[in-house]
Amino acid sequence: QLQLQESGPGLVKPSETLSLTCSVSGGSINTRSYFWGWIRQPPGKGLEWIGTLYYSGSTYYNPSLKSRATIPIDTSKNQFSLKLSSVTAADTAVYYCARQWLGGAGFDPWGRGTLVIVSS
Amino acid sequence: EIVLTQSPAIVSLSPGERATLSCRASQSVSSYLAWYQQKPGQAPRLLIYDASNRATGIPARFSGSGSGTDFTLTIRSLDVEDFAVYYCQQRSNWPITFGQGTRLEIK
Repeated sequence: QLQLQESGPGLVKPSETLSLTCSVSGGSINTRSYFWGWIRQPPGKGLEWIGTLYYSGSTYYNPSLKSRATIPIDTSKNQFSLKLSSVTAADTAVYYCARQWLGGAGFDPWGRGTLVIVSS
Repeated sequence: EIVLTQSPAIVSLSPGERATLSCRASQSVSSYLAWYQQKPGQAPRLLIYDASNRATGIPARFSGSGSGTDFTLTIRSLDVEDFAVYYCQQRSNWPITFGQGTRLEIK
């Protein structure tokens, strides 16, 4: 059974870079069959897609983030990461990683999410 | 960017009743639409993928329909565990977008 787990600092200072890792167990991220994605949810608000990674290294990002996001992959550790630069309080959110279906619409399964607060 | 508009924003129903939630896209997404359920403090759970296919383990009382720009999530005979927030999501075009959510609350 595939499981995803987010990890990283829960507190980041404004203007710094937020770094999170998604560890995948029960399956390989080095597969042609799926994408891998990051989604966030500010407290009390809706879901926002951040970006998507393919095993080959191809990436797709939400243009609303103005090129601040990168999603590197580490197939040796079966992990992928999120780096979000120049953070502000508006980046405070629960960050989720999830497997994204290649041929259709759907993120499944999801990690449990991790809250990141941007504050000095 | 494709905008997804969900309606109503809040719906109040009683257990046993039927719920009908709507998601309208600003342009066609074909059948590339998914529905999620989210309860407080939990990650979203995939209910329906590709507009009308139930995900693994999802009860048969959940059904999805529609294509193009108009989609519906129907919950036949609400169970108390169904009261939550529901989101639609499209992946027809990048960027992937989500609707703003419909809160289903107990009447």
